[in-house]
Amino acid sequence: KAGVTQTPRYLIKTRGQQVTLSCSPISGHRSVSWYQQTPGQGLQFLFEYFSETQRNKGNFPGRFSGRQFSNSRSEMNVSTLELGDSALYLCASSEGVHVNTEAFFGQGTRLTVV
Amino acid sequence: ELKVEQNPLFLSMQEGKNYTIYCNYSTTSDRLYWYRQDPGKSLESLFVLLSNGAVKQEGRLMASLDTKARLSTLHITAAVHDLSATYFCAVASRYNNNDMRFGAGTRLTVKP
Repeated sequence: KAGVTQTPRYLIKTRGQQVTLSCSPISGHRSVSWYQQTPGQGLQFLFEYFSETQRNKGNFPGRFSGRQFSNSRSEMNVSTLELGDSALYLCASSEGVHVNTEAFFGQGTRLTVV
Repeated sequence: ELKVEQNPLFLSMQEGKNYTIYCNYSTTSDRLYWYRQDPGKSLESLFVLLSNGAVKQEGRLMASLDTKARLSTLHITAAVHDLSATYFCAVASRYNNNDMRFGAGTRLTVKP
């Protein structure tokens, strides 16, 4: 069974640009969450999608957005990039139906904003 | 708001020694996770603790959960170099296991 796949693995963007990251969950998983990891702030929850609906959102500005498609794949978008958006972005997938199921993480996308 | 505090943040151990990492959280939850992260890598799931009094062991690592005290521990027995990594605890929202709040992580270095 394939794991969680994130693309691209590495990305370099310029301030002011926008970026789209992709996450394909484990087959059969309907919940996808996104996290930002930085040395200063650690791992922070961005948002979670289940069956194409955003169920919860962390404390991030509106420049961070996401969506989920009918096949459960998810994308997150960051507009008007700032230097502080440089981070490892991780997505996690879970079945999402039973609250006691485990979340599995992808390898992450390392975004560098210059 | 759910807050998760982990300590210590840095831990340097000699091989063969024992130590415990602590994870406190601020609101009611009965789902706690421990993850391991190697430099430049993603998060590897170690333990899923789902109820008060849960104890799980894998090799030299043992995790426990006390929901009344809102405390989880990760105990390392007879540490070996391969255990060097950063360890995170994460507490799930009461209603959504894929909405987790993470501790700051404990960077463990095991020295020969």
